[in-house]
Amino acid sequence: GDSVTQMEGPVTLSEEAFLTINCTYTATGYPSLFWYVQYPGEGLQLLLKATKADDKGSNKGFEATYRKETTSFHLEKGSVQVSDSAVYFCALMNSGGYQKVTFGTGTKLQVIP
Amino acid sequence: GAVVSQHPSWVICKSGTSVKIECRSLDFQATTMFWYRQFPKQSLMLMATSNEGSKATYEQGVEKDKFLINHASLTLSTLTVTSAHPEDSSFYICSAIIPIGNEQFFGPGTRLTVL
Repeated sequence: GDSVTQMEGPVTLSEEAFLTINCTYTATGYPSLFWYVQYPGEGLQLLLKATKADDKGSNKGFEATYRKETTSFHLEKGSVQVSDSAVYFCALMNSGGYQKVTFGTGTKLQVIP
Repeated sequence: GAVVSQHPSWVICKSGTSVKIECRSLDFQATTMFWYRQFPKQSLMLMATSNEGSKATYEQGVEKDKFLINHASLTLSTLTVTSAHPEDSSFYICSAIIPIGNEQFFGPGTRLTVL
């Protein structure tokens, strides 16, 4: 079945540091890939997405590129801020299914001033 | 983007009581909604898929008699936790599919605490 593996956290960075959160997936067909962010006490918000190979999703300075050859969708940001502190979930939606989303376990990011 | 709301945002109840959580799509019609459960420091676990006008499809291991789902209209799905117990305490999140764009929009979640 479909699965998503992302790096375990927590990840602690200083403000303005470079961020990478690794995500790899296993899926049949051609899934869409997503990064969601969850701030403390809140629900999930879509951060960015990519629907086909080599697509780059970007939003709020975050980027991720759909790499089919390595089945990866790593999240990056050049300069993190304290306000980026949250839990980040990598996810996929398989085009062949009935739109179920499979989530990774989440990576907590803490940015310190 | 599309907006999904949940009510209540948090609820505390006594063991043995039932709790209803509402999920509404505010500016679009959702033929399909999903209910997730999230334990502390863990990922979301899909509980069931709710289709308007038909019975919900439950994931393996989820008790359908305990977690009653009703998708009465194209903008409303409800999850009722029956005879709640402390182990049912969790963060419950719903989502709705918007057909164009093949994207799920998530509600803000409901934190249930059973004493």
